[in-house]
Amino acid sequence: DAGITQSPRHKVTETGTPVTLRCHQTENHRYMYWYRQDPGHGLRLIHYSYGVKDTDKGEVSDGYSVSRSKTEDFLLTLESATSSQTSVYFCAISEWQGRETQYFGPGTRLLVL
Amino acid sequence: ILNVEQSPQSLHVQEGDSTNFTCSFPSSNFYALHWYRWETAKSPEALFVMTLNGDEKKKGRISATLNTKEGYSYLYIKGSQPEDSATYLCAHYGGSQGNLIFGKGTKLSVKP
Repeated sequence: DAGITQSPRHKVTETGTPVTLRCHQTENHRYMYWYRQDPGHGLRLIHYSYGVKDTDKGEVSDGYSVSRSKTEDFLLTLESATSSQTSVYFCAISEWQGRETQYFGPGTRLLVL
Repeated sequence: ILNVEQSPQSLHVQEGDSTNFTCSFPSSNFYALHWYRWETAKSPEALFVMTLNGDEKKKGRISATLNTKEGYSYLYIKGSQPEDSATYLCAHYGGSQGNLIFGKGTKLSVKP
């Protein structure tokens, strides 16, 4: 299994509070991704990174920011959590883009009350 | 965003049945088609990455074919077992959109 961990694994928070999710990899892969999974929508890309300090938006980036200060860590921040951000968040990594397999972390279940 | 469609949405079969499902994707600007297997309460696991028209990949009882000209891929499971119960996702990489676009998946349930 690819070495990907996510923390926390579960979180309950209140509307309006900031939340940061962490993805950590030990594979030295260049690309890292944040997805959210919601019923009826499948996996949707929030943001991705193609190197340290290099990030770009995905399909559903509004309300989220990311940072990557080290190869191994990719942080997802909800500046002011809303109930619509209640979801399961998956981090993924890949060596390159497109033709390379993505390896997924175990997921973080976030509930915003 | 270019759509990736999977059908059927769900499928119920008996143990021992063979089954197949479809992934449709835009046929223009094709680079790769991925298949993932996603068990409940776990994370998606890669099955295949397919890049060439006419590609056929096989992993045990699971195989996949690819037609890039018409924009579809089939996933086949021979002699389904209860442990094959999962959601099967396909994802298309067309280059221009920057990343994988996932379909919503086909949920397979195999009854013993």
